[in-house]
Amino acid sequence: AQSVTQLDSQVPVFEEAPVELRCNYSSSVSVYLFWYVQYPNQGLQLLLKYLSGSTLVKGINGFEAEFNKSQTSFHLRKPSVHISDTAEYFCAVRGYSSASKIIFGSGTRLSIRP
Amino acid sequence: EAQVTQNPRYLITVTGKKLTVTCSQNMNHEYMSWYRQDPGLGLRQIYYSMNVEVTDKGDVPEGYKVSRKEKRNFPLILESPSPNQTSLYFCASSAQGGSGNTIYFGEGSWLTVV
Repeated sequence: AQSVTQLDSQVPVFEEAPVELRCNYSSSVSVYLFWYVQYPNQGLQLLLKYLSGSTLVKGINGFEAEFNKSQTSFHLRKPSVHISDTAEYFCAVRGYSSASKIIFGSGTRLSIRP
Repeated sequence: EAQVTQNPRYLITVTGKKLTVTCSQNMNHEYMSWYRQDPGLGLRQIYYSMNVEVTDKGDVPEGYKVSRKEKRNFPLILESPSPNQTSLYFCASSAQGGSGNTIYFGEGSWLTVV
């Protein structure tokens, strides 16, 4: 079984400041890792995903995440945030098995202050 | 355009009155799933389906039913809704699990049970 922990439920930052949203996972098997973003009143859309290979993954809107197997983490970062990044961010894992489902964290609400 | 379409988007209903939330995808995906989103709890899976006529319970299936008679449709049925089913519901689909395929989400359905 897998689980996902997002350590911060809310992260307030000032515009143009850097941000890191933390995600740790637990799994007895290898997993794929995802970050999804939910803008106000919208569904979720994929920001980026880690499947294999390079541990640094670049996504849309200037976000990137680094897979750290020893620390079982997949933290999301952006060097300079904009007001438009205000959203809820979800980390997720999915096992390699064809029968595996995707497990979501509880979400981190990113609020950008001007 | 790849789409997951849910209807209705907004609904207020009364306790005990059966309702169905429809979900349709146009990507020929095998895997479909329903989630509910509640503050502080992230996304919790209700039911999922690996293919036509193959459905299974997620983490919070009580009070819900699903069917998968066609590949593109995966309706969520609340036989006798109760106030604790007031929530934001998302339908999602992806190509078969096990290969890191992206999950696509619908726009969400706000359901209020009074």
